[in-house]
Amino acid sequence: TQLLEQSPQFLSIQEGENLTVYCNSSSVFSSLQWYRQEPGEGPVLLVTVVTGGEVKKLKRLTFQFGDARKDSSLHITAAQTGDTGLYLCAGAWNTDKLIFGTGTRLQVFP
Amino acid sequence: EPEVTQTPSHQVTQMGQEVILRCVPISNHLYFYWYRQILGQKVEFLVSFYNNEISEKSEIFDDQFSVERPDGSNFTLKIRSTKLEDSAMYFCASRNARFSYNEQFFGPGTRLTVL
Repeated sequence: TQLLEQSPQFLSIQEGENLTVYCNSSSVFSSLQWYRQEPGEGPVLLVTVVTGGEVKKLKRLTFQFGDARKDSSLHITAAQTGDTGLYLCAGAWNTDKLIFGTGTRLQVFP
Repeated sequence: EPEVTQTPSHQVTQMGQEVILRCVPISNHLYFYWYRQILGQKVEFLVSFYNNEISEKSEIFDDQFSVERPDGSNFTLKIRSTKLEDSAMYFCASRNARFSYNEQFFGPGTRLTVL
């Protein structure tokens, strides 16, 4: 059974600070997605990574896929209050079934 | 921008009743999924569907569950006899076959409450 571990579970920071959240597995992903979810809503796709060592940028968000394709990180530069939310990683191994992590709940204070 | 839509947004039902949750996937997508999220827990895969057949299903997706694509636009999840533990948010997702990177786009969800 594939498992995704996300850390930290909770993160509370001031506006303007930088942060990194992590997503780890013991198995090699065929692909990995990062989503953001607001309360009572569906996950919104942020990025997909598929190649080991890949780095993708989305404005102030930087996503990195580990060389061995077993881990990924999301770095936010100069966090804003609008970044507040639940960040989920979701991976797939050999099929298109997504296995979701438990998420990192980010709170950015003004 | 095209998006996945789901109806109803909230469904309340009595235990033992049948419910049908509806989804309209993004129009040129060919792969369809149902996931659920019990309050405070992870999003869990239920079933994937392609070419009018179930591709994969989880242990959760037992004989009480079924999926159907009754026409060219709708994708439904039926629970025949609901149980209290079926209370959850149910998300539909779809994927474009042209993209091989498994990018699944989710709908806003249906909150199912079983009393």
